[in-house]
Amino acid sequence: AQRVTQPEKLLSVFKGAPVELKCNYSYSGSPELFWYVQYSRQRLQLLLRHISRESIKGFTADLNKGETSFHLKKPFAQEEDSAMYYCALLYGNNRLAFGKGNQVVVIP
Amino acid sequence: DSGVTQTPKHLITATGQRVTLRCSPRSGDLSVYWYQQSLDQGLQFLIQYYNGEERAKGNILERFSAQQFPDLHSELNLSSLELGDSALYFCASSPQVTDTQYFGPGTRLTVL
Repeated sequence: AQRVTQPEKLLSVFKGAPVELKCNYSYSGSPELFWYVQYSRQRLQLLLRHISRESIKGFTADLNKGETSFHLKKPFAQEEDSAMYYCALLYGNNRLAFGKGNQVVVIP
Repeated sequence: DSGVTQTPKHLITATGQRVTLRCSPRSGDLSVYWYQQSLDQGLQFLIQYYNGEERAKGNILERFSAQQFPDLHSELNLSSLELGDSALYFCASSPQVTDTQYFGPGTRLTVL
């Protein structure tokens, strides 16, 4: 069965410091991974997907099939990055399996 | 706003009752998905519809049912409500069945 694990619930970082959110997955098929973000009082929105291989708002994520990971990184955190971040795996018929999420707090 | 809309925003009801949550997909999207977000289980996929037909089922209880109407809006019906059904219910939509999903703002259900 598919599973997404985000080990840290809460991550506090200082503004300007690097931030890394860990995501590991287990899936027997070919994985397609996403990061979704939810800012305070806003809806869940797509941040990036691994097949796009793009950088959004300074965030990047690389799919490592050997380590079954899709960690999200940003070299310099900004206050506006404070939000909930969810890693998600696409499986069977376009369903998404989400991790429990990471609450990121950027300290000014 | 042409994004996914959900009504109502908040719903407070009692155990044993039945409620209906409504979702309107983005203009042109044919596929609708329902997710439940609870404190202990996180975000879980419930059910998917595509152009009026059920496409996939996830961890949806038998007390819950859904449908997608000809105008493509969808409703999630929750019956015989229990305290544990208290959660945020999200709807998402996508143009086809394999496209990126766009989420609505959610309906917060509180069962007392």
